[in-house]
Amino acid sequence: NAGVTQTPKFQVLKTGQSMTLQCAQDMNHEYMSWYRQDPGMGLRLIHYSVGAGITDQGEVPNGYNVSRSTTEDFPLRLLSAAPSQTSVYFCASSYEKTLGSTGELFFGEGSRLTVL
Amino acid sequence: KNQVEQSPQSLIILEGKNCTLQCNYTVSPFSNLRWYKQDTGRGPVSLTIMTFSENTKSNGRYTATLDADTKQSSLHITASQLSDSASYICVVRGDSNYQLIWGAGTKLIIKP
Repeated sequence: NAGVTQTPKFQVLKTGQSMTLQCAQDMNHEYMSWYRQDPGMGLRLIHYSVGAGITDQGEVPNGYNVSRSTTEDFPLRLLSAAPSQTSVYFCASSYEKTLGSTGELFFGEGSRLTVL
Repeated sequence: KNQVEQSPQSLIILEGKNCTLQCNYTVSPFSNLRWYKQDTGRGPVSLTIMTFSENTKSNGRYTATLDADTKQSSLHITASQLSDSASYICVVRGDSNYQLIWGAGTKLIIKP
């Protein structure tokens, strides 16, 4: 019962460094997404994908890249880290692409990123 | 602008007591409304998803209500337990795209 797995759980970067947050799900979900969570704010969508080879931007995509080469994996790349990207990042997946009434979102445990 | 507002921001109650959390939204058109529970340091977990036609939905000791006319929802927790200490997040899906609009959450603390 792995569900959605994110790695790493914690990461400290220096400004300008790049890194990739990994996300994998074993539920054969077509929909996958990345959110960031900052204190006092609702989750904000960074990028999402409705299937292998298909990605799209969310609310706050600048500074992040994604790709979806397989159904299972959806990595998030930080190209040149900035202190404003210090946050907790969550990967989520859903069986239903349109997030309708049966489109429950399943979340990973989060990746806490600090950029110095 | 599509928004989801939750109140109160935080709430402390004694174990065994009931409480109600509020959610007001301005999302239009509306598709569905969700409540999530997020334990500290963990990812959100779905409690319920309600559509336009549903007024009340229960999940154990959690009961969600929805009034689509006034654009209000509430989450009622009965006979609270220490494990109910968490943030509770209201989320609305509009009808125009696939994206969800998230509230900032209510932080609930249950004291023994």
